[in-house]
Amino acid sequence: EAEVAQSPRYKITEKSQAVAFWCDPISGHATLYWYRQILGQGPELLVQFQDESVVDDSQLPKDRFSAERLKGVDSTLKIQPAELGDSAMYLCASSRGRGQETQYFGPGTRLLVL
Amino acid sequence: SQQGEEDPQALSIQEGENATMNCSYKTSINNLQWYRQNSGRGLVHLILIRSNEREKHSGRLRVTLDTSKKSSSLLITASRAADTASYFCAPVEGGSEKLVFGKGTKLTVNP
Repeated sequence: EAEVAQSPRYKITEKSQAVAFWCDPISGHATLYWYRQILGQGPELLVQFQDESVVDDSQLPKDRFSAERLKGVDSTLKIQPAELGDSAMYLCASSRGRGQETQYFGPGTRLLVL
Repeated sequence: SQQGEEDPQALSIQEGENATMNCSYKTSINNLQWYRQNSGRGLVHLILIRSNEREKHSGRLRVTLDTSKKSSSLLITASRAADTASYFCAPVEGGSEKLVFGKGTKLTVNP
């Protein structure tokens, strides 16, 4: 069964450093989502792509976070500079397209900022 | 977009018992989804129930929806240790595709 791939699985960095996370959605899935999940909370949507276009980035802290999906396939989420409060799990999900309700999640990248 | 609120926040049962989790929401919805998350992993979609449906089954899972009370419940029958996970509901408003998750219910099934 096809899965959403994410790397790295774990990342430790120092504050003020730059970090990047990568996501490869299920083949053929047009919609891609990045979520942030703080320990003990549910995931919070950061950004949604439809193909290569951003559909919703209303919760993305744009002063330090950026996301791209240049060819409408895989995606990168970057944080620069990282802050202590960015320590969280970063989850990527994909769905077949807008209005296709089921989202398929990757295993996540756990970030620790020291 | 609205957030579902799961209740209880934590539930501990013995293997073989049934587990019931509840979800409440505030405004009208198009559908409501339940997801499971094993510790330190991504979420797995369990069931989607539409606003015109009252009950849905999938294996040992049974989901009910009461739109008049703006609530849903997830029942896991004959629970197993492998069911230990956090369970999240996500009500989806009409015209929206956004999933807004609450804090979830943390289920522990003791062998």
